[in-house]
Amino acid sequence: GAVVSQHPSRVICKSGTSVKIECRSLDFQATTMFWYRQFPKKSLMLMATSNEGSKATYEQGVEKDKFLINHASLTLSTLTVTSAHPEDSSFYICSARVSPGGYEQYFGPGTRLTVT
Amino acid sequence: TQLLEQSPQFLSIQEGENLTVYCNSSSVFSSLQWYRQEPGEGPVLLVTVVTGGEVKKLKRLTFQFGDARKDSSLHITAAQPGDTGLYLCAGLPQGGGTASKLTFGTGTRLQVTL
Repeated sequence: GAVVSQHPSRVICKSGTSVKIECRSLDFQATTMFWYRQFPKKSLMLMATSNEGSKATYEQGVEKDKFLINHASLTLSTLTVTSAHPEDSSFYICSARVSPGGYEQYFGPGTRLTVT
Repeated sequence: TQLLEQSPQFLSIQEGENLTVYCNSSSVFSSLQWYRQEPGEGPVLLVTVVTGGEVKKLKRLTFQFGDARKDSSLHITAAQPGDTGLYLCAGLPQGGGTASKLTFGTGTRLQVTL
C-alpha cells in the first residue's frame, strides 16, 4: 500500500520557538495532503488541506499564521507551528490522497509535539 | 456540517467474543472508510466501501455500508488482543471533487483482554 512518513516522530520544544513537521509520500505523488490534530483518546480533527503549488485551505478556527503549511512538491508537505505554546502540545498527523479524486487517504505515523 | 456518530464509544471484551461497531449519520456519503489506530501511531486504512448495501470481509472483520449510504457497521468475530485499538469510520461527502474532505467519526475504543 501507499506509504506516508512523518518527521520527526517526537519533538520537545520550548515555549515561543517554532517547530517544523515534514510529511512525505514515499511511493506515490500526492496532489492533496491533509493535516490533522488529535487530542488524547479523541478522534482526528482536520486542521487544513494542503494542495501542491497553492495556498492551504484552513478549517474554521485554525490560525493560518500560527500553523504554516507549505506543499512545495508532489511528495512533501510541511507544517510549521510558530511561536509554540504549551496548548499546542498534541499529536499531529498528516495524510495523503493517492490520486486526485480518489477515495482513499493514507496516514503518516504522527508527530508528538510537546511544548514546555 | 456532516457528523458521524460512532457507538459504542468504548468497548471492553474478552478474547473470543464477537462485537459490532456502528457508524451513523444523517448525511449521505459517496464512500466510507474504516481505520484502526494504535496508540502513538497514525490510522491504518482497513477498508473502503462505496456501494449502498455493500458488504466486505477482511478475515474476521465484516464491514457493511447501509443501503442509503448514511451508515456503516464493523463486525468482528472472535476478537483477539491484537484487535485492540481505536476504530474510526470516515466518510467522503457525496459529490465532492478533488478537494473533498473526509469527515471522521467520533471513534470507538476497543480493548480485548485474554
